[in-house]
Formats: sequence, structure tokens, C-alpha cells
Amino acid sequence: SAVISQKPSRDICQRGTSLTIQCQVDSQVTMMFWYRQQPGQSLTLIATANQGSEATYESGFVIDKFPISRPNLTFSTLTVSNMSPEDSSIYLCSVLLAGLETDTQYFGPGTRLTVL
Amino acid sequence: KNQVEQSPQSLIILEGKNCTLQCNYTVSPFSNLRWYKQDTGRGPVSLTIMTFSENTKSNGRYTATLDADTKQSSLHITASQLSDSASYICVVIRGGYQKVTFGTGTKLQVIP
Repeated sequence: SAVISQKPSRDICQRGTSLTIQCQVDSQVTMMFWYRQQPGQSLTLIATANQGSEATYESGFVIDKFPISRPNLTFSTLTVSNMSPEDSSIYLCSVLLAGLETDTQYFGPGTRLTVL
Repeated sequence: KNQVEQSPQSLIILEGKNCTLQCNYTVSPFSNLRWYKQDTGRGPVSLTIMTFSENTKSNGRYTATLDADTKQSSLHITASQLSDSASYICVVIRGGYQKVTFGTGTKLQVIP
């Protein structure tokens, strides 16, 4: 299994500022994912961050708005840049661990962001 | 369009009762289907994972079923407990982890 921690757990930010969210995993993982969960909505994949390569962004998400770093196999950061109230959401870090039969996806506790 | 629809949207049951949550999907090609439990303010936690060839999988009081022909899955919770109060999310995977489709979830509340 994997234990994932995120910092901060929540924050309230002003419009136009940026916030960097940290994700730490207790084991080395190749694939790490960042999701957004808006109020009452399902999870939406923002990007996949593999160590040693540029993050791959999903449709509707761009690097200038959500820059990601993946300096090693246990850590990643997601920055939400030039925030607006529409960015108010829960941001979740996730990792994939290979199993005998199938892979298992683990999620961090999330970072609850409110933009005023 | 690849979609995962869950019903009901929300559900309230008495402690000790059973309940069944539904998931219908149009995702293709299908790789596997997962049920997650998400407590308020926490990240989702995996309950079951089912591949195409599996039609039932249990995890304690949770039993998931899969009918790949009709593209339906259900999650049955037996003898519910207050700690079962959470959102239950159905997730369908196609071809790899960049092709993950999440359902909107069923919010379950178990009351004493």
C-alpha cells in the first residue's frame, strides 16, 4: 500500500495569487496523478506526472495555469497560478502501485482550496 | 461518449439495514471497474477492483457485482454501520490510467 500526505490540507487565497500544493508518498512510485474535485462533482484528472519527464496535461488544463514538478520518485508539487474563484476545489494527489493481478490507485487526503 | 452514471445520487438508511448502489457505464474498451469510498474531507479509498472476467467481488461487508454485457455494476453493503456514511464512487478504467472515468458518486448516510 501507499501512504500519501498533502500540504496544505486547506487554504483560503486571494484572487490573482498562486498556491503550491505538496504531495509526499511513503514509497517510490513512477506514476503520480493530480486531480481536481469541484464541489459536488466527480474527480477530474489534471495531469500525470512521471519522474524524469514533463507532465502530461488533460484537455482543458495547461502548464501555465497548473505547473507541476516531480523532482524524485516520492514527491511532487502542483501550483495553481493566478487563481480565480472558479479554482475553488479540492486538489488530490494520487499514485499507482503495481499488484500481482492489477494495479491499485491510492489517493492523498486532498487540499481544500477556497479562492476569494 | 465515455460516461459513468451512478444512482441514487444520495441515500439515507437506518443502521443495520442493507443497501445497493448502482453504476452504469458506457466506457469502451473496458479494462476494469473499481468502487471507492470517500469519507468527507478525505481522499477516495479503494474497496474493490473487478476485471472483465469477474462478476462478483467481496471486501468484508461490501460486495460488488459486474455485468460486462449490460455494462452495469452494483455495490451491496450488508448490515450498514454509521461509519459507512460516505460517498461511494464508481470508476471505470479503459486501457490505462490516463483513461479513467469517475462517476459522480452516491452519497450514503447511515442514521441510528
